[in-house]
Amino acid sequence: AQTVTQSQPEMSVQEAETVTLSCTYDTSESNYYLFWYKQPPSRQMILVIRQEAYKQQNATENRFSVNFQKAAKSFSLKISDSQLGDTAMYFCAFMKQVMNRDDKIIFGKGTRLHILP
Amino acid sequence: DTGVSQDPRHKITKRGQNVTFRCDPISEHNRLYWYRQTLGQGPEFLTYFQNEAQLEKSRLLSDRFSAERPKGSFSTLEIQRTEQGDSAMYLCASSLAQTLQETQYFGPGTRLLVL
Repeated sequence: AQTVTQSQPEMSVQEAETVTLSCTYDTSESNYYLFWYKQPPSRQMILVIRQEAYKQQNATENRFSVNFQKAAKSFSLKISDSQLGDTAMYFCAFMKQVMNRDDKIIFGKGTRLHILP
Repeated sequence: DTGVSQDPRHKITKRGQNVTFRCDPISEHNRLYWYRQTLGQGPEFLTYFQNEAQLEKSRLLSDRFSAERPKGSFSTLEIQRTEQGDSAMYLCASSLAQTLQETQYFGPGTRLLVL
């Protein structure tokens, strides 16, 4: 069974600073996706970034980037130039890659991120 | 708005009552998922449809829970004889199985409180 672990329940940083959220996972699968989802106080889950395990290059989306270490089963999220709107719960998530059918997403327990003015 | 929608957004019910939630996925999406999120936790998978076929059910989905997607479009999740432990946010997500670039898009959720 796959597991996703987020060891930081809560973090606070000043606006404009860079922050890194940690995530480790455990799986015996070789093909899978990893995600970071953001859930603002309004509680709608939004995809921040995704990484295919077969890709060595780390994914980036504007101010968001990941550090994917497949051998270490580590998948951290870096937010640069943090903004007040980044305040949210962030979930690290795993999905097994299956050729002709999707699979469920396994979520971590989340990291609550506060961006301070 | 062409995102995933859920109705109702909030539901308060008394223990023992039945409740039904609805999810409307993004129109061309053929896959639909239900997750449950309790306070302070990440979402947990409940069940999944491809078109109208229910392909997987979690052990979390007891006999009191039933989900349908009769025409392969919207889905309903019914909870019979609700218990206080059913209080949670119920999230729906949809995706399009076209390439290997799978992304699940989430709705705003239905928050259930069982008194």
